[in-house]
This record gives sequence, structure tokens and C-alpha cells, in this order.
Amino acid sequence: QQQVKQSPQSLIVQKGGISIINCAYENTAFDYFPWYQQFPGKGPALLIAIRPDVSEKKEGRFTISFNKSAKQFSLHIMDSQPGDSATYFCAASMRNDMRFGAGTRLTVKP
Amino acid sequence: NAGVMQNPRHLVRRRGQEARLRCSPMKGHSHVYWYRQLPEEGLKFMVYLQKENIIDESGMPKERFSAEFPKEGPSILRIQQVVRGDSAAYFCASSQTSGTNNEQFFGPGTRLTVL
Repeated sequence: QQQVKQSPQSLIVQKGGISIINCAYENTAFDYFPWYQQFPGKGPALLIAIRPDVSEKKEGRFTISFNKSAKQFSLHIMDSQPGDSATYFCAASMRNDMRFGAGTRLTVKP
Repeated sequence: NAGVMQNPRHLVRRRGQEARLRCSPMKGHSHVYWYRQLPEEGLKFMVYLQKENIIDESGMPKERFSAEFPKEGPSILRIQQVVRGDSAAYFCASSQTSGTNNEQFFGPGTRLTVL
């Protein structure tokens, strides 16, 4: 049972553009929504996270938008850079149970 | 403060052999999680452990797989009688506390190849 659905599977963006990755979850008990960035051959690293009591969180060029009623959240990368090229995973967590989306491979072209 | 450490980074086994994957959590972390990642796929939860206890093993196959986190030493994920389908990257994560917002820090992973 896939509890977190992520799209698109892959994304190509020009340098300076906006990258948008979307996720939807099913279980309303989830109360913590992190995004992880993973470079090839490395482990995932926490990028930014949000709780459901806020609708948006911004850290530098990265913004999470959260829609509790729709059970959806998205990651926006402003002014995308080639160094942002990586795989991005959304996740949803309750207590110690964390479920990951399938990932989005982002390529930012120079 | 060293991060989560995993070893070996790469492990090659023949079918039927045993694989032992080790994870040392970050200093001060007592919660350990194991995930499996197949090529081009996301992370699949396997097991969650606290010191000397398995809290949730719902994602771990019932046969051939076991995990432990002893009072002293690293957490061990053990795969007996490996098969080709076990080939994957296995990631360990650790957290300081349980409950909401317990950030999980990931190790670099062990890439298991079964010949």
C-alpha cells in the first residue's frame, strides 16, 4: 500500500527556473512532512520539513506548500541551479513511522 | 560529531551466503531505522529499533532477515542465504528522540550485490 504518492518521476528544468515536485498522502494521522535530497552514491539528507499547522515554509530558495484539506504538499525550488540536480524524496511521518514517496529525479540544465 | 556510519559501503555476496550490514548511529541517538532502496525507487522502511529492542519490524521480510541493536556496539542488519533479489542499497538512519519531528539522519548506505 503506497501511502505517499510523488510526481513527477523525473523533471528537467533550465537554470534559473522553478522546480515543482508534488506529493499526496492518504493517512491523516501523518503529522510531519520532510523533504530529502539525495545525490548519487550518497544517503538522503534532510532539506526542509513542515508540520500540518502551517501552510507554507520557506528556507532560502526552497519552499514547501502544504494543503491539509487536499492532503497534498509540494516542494518549490526557486532559481534552480545545476547543483540542485539530485533525487528528491518527500515523506510523511507519524511518531516514528516514516513513509517515503518514490522520488523525483531533478536535472537542472545550465 | 560524526554522522551516521555504515559499513561496509559495498558488499558482494554469492547466492546462499550471509550478509551483515552494520550501522553506528550518531552520538547521542538511540533510535535506528533501516531502509532498503532498489535502483530508481524510493526508500522502503524495514525495521525500527531502540537499544536492545525491536519496535517495529513490519517492513522486514519474515524469513532470512533479522536486525538487532545491542546495548553496546552498532546495529546489525543480517540477511541469511542471500538471493539476487536482495541486491539493493540499504540505508540506516538514526534519531535522537521518538515522536513528532524526530529528524532522521541517514548514513551513506551499504550497496549489496548478490552474484
